[in-house]
Amino acid sequence: NAGVMQNPRHLVRRRGQEARLRCSPMKGHSHVYWYRQLPEEGLKFMVYLQKENIIDESGMPKERFSAEFPKEGPSILRIQQVVRGDSAAYFCASSPPRKTQYFGPGTRLLVL
Amino acid sequence: AQTVTQSQPEMSVQEAETVTLSCTYDTSESDYYLFWYKQPPSRQMILVIRQEAYKQQNATENRFSVNFQKAAKSFSLKISDSQLGDAAMYFCAHYSLGGAQKLVFGQGTRLTINP
Repeated sequence: NAGVMQNPRHLVRRRGQEARLRCSPMKGHSHVYWYRQLPEEGLKFMVYLQKENIIDESGMPKERFSAEFPKEGPSILRIQQVVRGDSAAYFCASSPPRKTQYFGPGTRLLVL
Repeated sequence: AQTVTQSQPEMSVQEAETVTLSCTYDTSESDYYLFWYKQPPSRQMILVIRQEAYKQQNATENRFSVNFQKAAKSFSLKISDSQLGDAAMYFCAHYSLGGAQKLVFGQGTRLTINP
């Protein structure tokens, strides 16, 4: 049973470019969560999605960030016009409803 | 809003000894889970142990056990017979079943194992 898959594992972008992060949940999991980890800090919640629905985006910055979980395919976290402060590790987690969340390996985003 | 506090930024222990990591939390929810996750240098988040708030019995997973004090809102992790592979950042987390279904993490404790 494959775990949560994230790609790419490392992503380098220049300021002003777009970053697109992908997450494939574990088989049978219908809930996806995105978290961000700044250097030397804990993980902070960004957004919670189910298929074709955003359930809670209270942790998402108001501008430049968006997320989707389409009916087919992986969940996507999109960051437009990246800035240096976006450099962080972005983790995806998945779970069945109201159950333990399992994490992917993360995507390390570096903005030059 | 839920908050989770880990008051020990760093801890160290001799190999084969026992160490306890502290965690306190604040919540108005009655139905929730508490977790400890481990983050080794690879940065992968690994589930260590889970405690359901409605259970009075403390959770145990091999060398890992918790001391869950619901009234005091305390949730400490005990690691027995520490091994070199236990060296990592440890994060305590709260998950509300009734409200926002998201994990709220503490700041983490860096555990060093001395050979």
